[in-house]
Amino acid sequence: DQQVKQNSPSLSVQEGRISILNCDYTNSMFDYFLWYKKYPAEGPTFLISISSIKDKNEDGRFTVFLNKSAKHLSLHIVPSQPGDSAVYFCAASSYSSASKIIFGSGTRLSIRP
Amino acid sequence: NAGVTQTPKFQVLKTGQSMTLQCAQDMNHNSMYWYRQDPGMGLRLIYYSASEGTTDKGEVPNGYNVSRLNKREFSLRLESAAPSQTSVYFCASKDRVQPQHFGDGTRLSIL
Repeated sequence: DQQVKQNSPSLSVQEGRISILNCDYTNSMFDYFLWYKKYPAEGPTFLISISSIKDKNEDGRFTVFLNKSAKHLSLHIVPSQPGDSAVYFCAASSYSSASKIIFGSGTRLSIRP
Repeated sequence: NAGVTQTPKFQVLKTGQSMTLQCAQDMNHNSMYWYRQDPGMGLRLIYYSASEGTTDKGEVPNGYNVSRLNKREFSLRLESAAPSQTSVYFCASKDRVQPQHFGDGTRLSIL
């Protein structure tokens, strides 16, 4: 049973517009969430994170929103750029098991001109 | 600074053969991980090692064994490879509350 779910396998967004990637989780013990970006033939690289004590975290063009009651988080990229085309993974962990990190299935984002 | 290094990058095995995937990190991280990536399944945790001397099962440990040789190295062994283990394997490391750093993966095909 997947504890971290990304229900959209792919997303296509026009350059300059906002990209919104979604992630749901089922384990209420999760309290730390991360987004990773992955290009082909490379390992994932860390993008942005959020702790459960916050509901929003921003880093430049990237903002992550957390809705604990809905067990849902989203990543907003604005404005979207061609270099943002990649697979994005959502990941989660809990304070009690800080080393165990569970990933979602990923969303392939394509930015079209 | 090499970060996380995985060897080999590619490997083809026959069913029933054994193999060890190697991973080394030079960032003095305490925790190390092995994931597999399959289409539509994302990254699934096979085993992890929270610190030197400890290992724990992840989501999909069956068919694999691991060894945390020292603080730098964490190996993944397939004792009797099966076609279902065809995948891309990623090693990662982290320290405390810092995010994971990943290697570039090992592409493993089992015929």
